[in-house]
Amino acid sequence: GAVVSQHPSWVICKSGTSVKIECRSLDFQATTMFWYRQFPKQSLMLMATSNEGSKATYEQGVEKDKFLINHASLTLSTLTVTSAHPEDSSFYICSARPLRNTGELFFGEGSRLTVL
Amino acid sequence: DQQVKQNSPSLSVQEGRISILNCDYTNSMFDYFLWYKKYPAEGPTFLISISSIKDKNEDGRFTVFLNKSAKHLSLHIVPSQPGDSAVYFCAASGSEKLVFGKGTKLTVNP
Repeated sequence: GAVVSQHPSWVICKSGTSVKIECRSLDFQATTMFWYRQFPKQSLMLMATSNEGSKATYEQGVEKDKFLINHASLTLSTLTVTSAHPEDSSFYICSARPLRNTGELFFGEGSRLTVL
Repeated sequence: DQQVKQNSPSLSVQEGRISILNCDYTNSMFDYFLWYKKYPAEGPTFLISISSIKDKNEDGRFTVFLNKSAKHLSLHIVPSQPGDSAVYFCAASGSEKLVFGKGTKLTVNP
């Protein structure tokens, strides 16, 4: 099956620093990738839709300058949490939709961010 | 406004019995439905899907039923196994976005 890899899987950083999380589709090309955030005991919250070669579309309430998304190629999207604060600590998950759109999304393993 | 609802936050069943996970949706524009399974600290993994033109899709121990008139779908797992213990998310799609329910934590007891 299609594989989506996220890196790093765990990251701990100090408050005020920036953290970059990568999302790669390993065996397929994806024009569209999605970034989610999961709070404890809650569903996955869609943060933004990332389209290759264009600006990301952010969901209401998500700060664009705080969560920078770049989709530089058909296999890579990055999420940068800028000037991280403890409240940004969360589990971040990406998903990718293959070029041949079957409606299915393939998810990365997730990245646990802890901001001290 | 929650468009996809999983009203049972948890479900506990005995190994070998049937697990039935339910999901309701409100948006009649949704035309594709998916179930994902998620272990703690991992990303969701795709289980099974169903298009709105069907009312049933089966894959091994997993069957998804769709009742469009009731805007309801369910996932049946039979027989349930301890390894099935996880959080199950129902998701619906009408455009390029997926809308997720809050999940149901399934525990299968040996």
